[in-house]
Amino acid sequence: EAGVTQSPTHLIKTRGQQATLRCSPISGHTSVYWYQQALGLGLQFLLWYDEGEERNRGNFPPRFSGRQFPNYSSELNVNALELEDSALYLCASSVRTALSNQPQHFGDGTRLSIL
Amino acid sequence: QQPVQSPQAVILREGEDAVINCSSSKALYSVHWYRQKHGEAPVFLMILLKGGEQKGHEKISASFNEKKQQSSLYLTASQLSYSGTYFCAINSNAGGTSYGKLTFGQGTILTVHP
Repeated sequence: EAGVTQSPTHLIKTRGQQATLRCSPISGHTSVYWYQQALGLGLQFLLWYDEGEERNRGNFPPRFSGRQFPNYSSELNVNALELEDSALYLCASSVRTALSNQPQHFGDGTRLSIL
Repeated sequence: QQPVQSPQAVILREGEDAVINCSSSKALYSVHWYRQKHGEAPVFLMILLKGGEQKGHEKISASFNEKKQQSSLYLTASQLSYSGTYFCAINSNAGGTSYGKLTFGQGTILTVHP
């Protein structure tokens, strides 16, 4: 069974540009989560999508946005990139849960570097 | 609010045991444990639910003390492959702003030497 796949592996941008990160969940999973992991830090919750809808978002500015497609894959868009956006962006998927009682399975992440 | 993990780092020899603690200032609904090796994705270990416990991994167990708002991860007879950073992640509310959201601790770095 294929795991969560993310693309690209690495992405280099300059300040002010826009970045698009992609995620394909495990087959059968309808929930997709996005996390930011800055160097040496823990994971910060960004967004949760389920059944094509944004269900919750973390404490990030509106320039972090995304969407989920009918096949449950997802995109994370970051506009007006800033230096502090440099981080590993992790996507996770799970079966549908309203109560966080299902494990989340992570992809290998996209390393975003802002020059 | 971020759960607090302790210790921040631990060094073991193969075969030794370790305990990693995770404390929250809020009532816990669920606690998830993950291990992340350098340059790799976090790997799910187990999930513990309020009112119950669910093991997800052999030789690694965990407890969940709802009253103390704590969880502990027990690694017995450690192996070299146990090395990595261990994260607890909590959901403190079954609804509201915590809906579906996991809040991760800062991590505990575990190093196992031969």
